[in-house]
Amino acid sequence: DAGVTQSPTHLIKTRGQQVTLRCSPKSGHDTVSWYQQALGQGPQFIFQYYEEEERQRGNFPDRFSGHQFPNYSSELNVNALLLGDSALYLCASSPDRKNTEAFFGQGTRLTVV
Amino acid sequence: GESVGLHLPTLSVQEGDNSIINCAYSNSASDYFIWYKQESGKGPQFIIDIRSNMDKRQGQRVTVLLNKTVKHLSLQIAATQPGDSAVYFCAELVGGSYIPTFGRGTSLIVHP
Repeated sequence: DAGVTQSPTHLIKTRGQQVTLRCSPKSGHDTVSWYQQALGQGPQFIFQYYEEEERQRGNFPDRFSGHQFPNYSSELNVNALLLGDSALYLCASSPDRKNTEAFFGQGTRLTVV
Repeated sequence: GESVGLHLPTLSVQEGDNSIINCAYSNSASDYFIWYKQESGKGPQFIIDIRSNMDKRQGQRVTVLLNKTVKHLSLQIAATQPGDSAVYFCAELVGGSYIPTFGRGTSLIVHP
């Protein structure tokens, strides 16, 4: 079992651009959550996808959007990138929506210049 | 909103010593807590969890203590090893929403 895989591992974008990050959940998991982790901080919950719909959302602007596919994989999209969006973006999958058995991927390091 | 916080940003210990990492939380509605370990370049890894109806839970070399009276959580690591060097986060979850709130983290440095 490959666990949770994210791509790409590193990414550099210019302010104002758009970015798409991808996540494949652990086998048997149908729920995917995304987090933003700024340097020196704990992860912050962005949103959760289950049955291809956004089910819960944290305190993030509409520039952050996502999608879940029938195979449970997910994408995180960020529009109109700001310098402050530079962070490690983590994907976590779980077998249910409770997030109590979540497995995290290694993250995508996004740098906005 | 209410948040989870850690008392010590960095903890240095000698190999073989016991380590204690502390966490304060302020949301009295939180009913589930998780400790995560995050090594450099990796995502958080589940260590141990505890529900609010318990005050102690033990795993392999780790023990989590929960004091709901003072809203305090601790992670004890016995016989700390160099491989335990990482950043440790506590996260609290509220039943119903189950959106985890993470604290800042404590960096544990184990000297051989």
